[in-house]
Amino acid sequence: DIVMTQSPLSLPVTPGEPASISCRSSQSLLYSNGYTYLDWYLQKPGHSPQLLIYLGSNRASGVPDRFSGNGSGTYFTLKISRVEAEDVGVYYCMQALQTPPTFGQGTRLEIK
Amino acid sequence: QVQLQESGPGLVKPSETLSLTCTVSGGSVTSHYWSWIRQPPGKGLEWIGYIYYSVSSNYNPSLKRRVTMSVDTSRNQFSLNLSSVTAADTAVYYCARHLRAMPGIDFDYWGQGALVTVSS
Repeated sequence: DIVMTQSPLSLPVTPGEPASISCRSSQSLLYSNGYTYLDWYLQKPGHSPQLLIYLGSNRASGVPDRFSGNGSGTYFTLKISRVEAEDVGVYYCMQALQTPPTFGQGTRLEIK
Repeated sequence: QVQLQESGPGLVKPSETLSLTCTVSGGSVTSHYWSWIRQPPGKGLEWIGYIYYSVSSNYNPSLKRRVTMSVDTSRNQFSLNLSSVTAADTAVYYCARHLRAMPGIDFDYWGQGALVTVSS
């Protein structure tokens, strides 16, 4: 299985400030079609996870443009340009390249 | 708007079979791939497997010998059976829709989750 490793595991952020989460995969997530199969999900407290980013950098429907994803190969980042109170929760990266899809440990974002 | 709703017993005895159903509304169960994902209390996410129509399925090797999935097109539902459960199978079980066809697995709609506790 592909191992996904996130950092940091806890991220206190002041509202209005930027935030960044890193994710590494144990093997490249680049497929032969040129796409990179890396997703980001946010699980707000008491809710199901929601898709934020797919194929490394594509925002899912309805996701604010303050969220952006980038990276390639085995190293990826999720950036929030200006954190808002509603962004609180646990962020997971997930490799979508091969079965079984595997998730990172999660990064808990909290408001300072 | 697509909605998914899990249903099934919230308590299952050890060694018995966990059975859950996901009802799809606002879309057809024949039009997408569908997955089950679980989350033990306070822990991370684990993919269980997917099913597409009755054509294709793929299960996590760690659970493969205990998992079966099926689709009921007449009820617009898909189901999960997990046999020989132990306390380690206690988790919130989510059903989810795949954003697009393979390759790649991305979950764009999720159910609210169903907590299943394994205990005698």
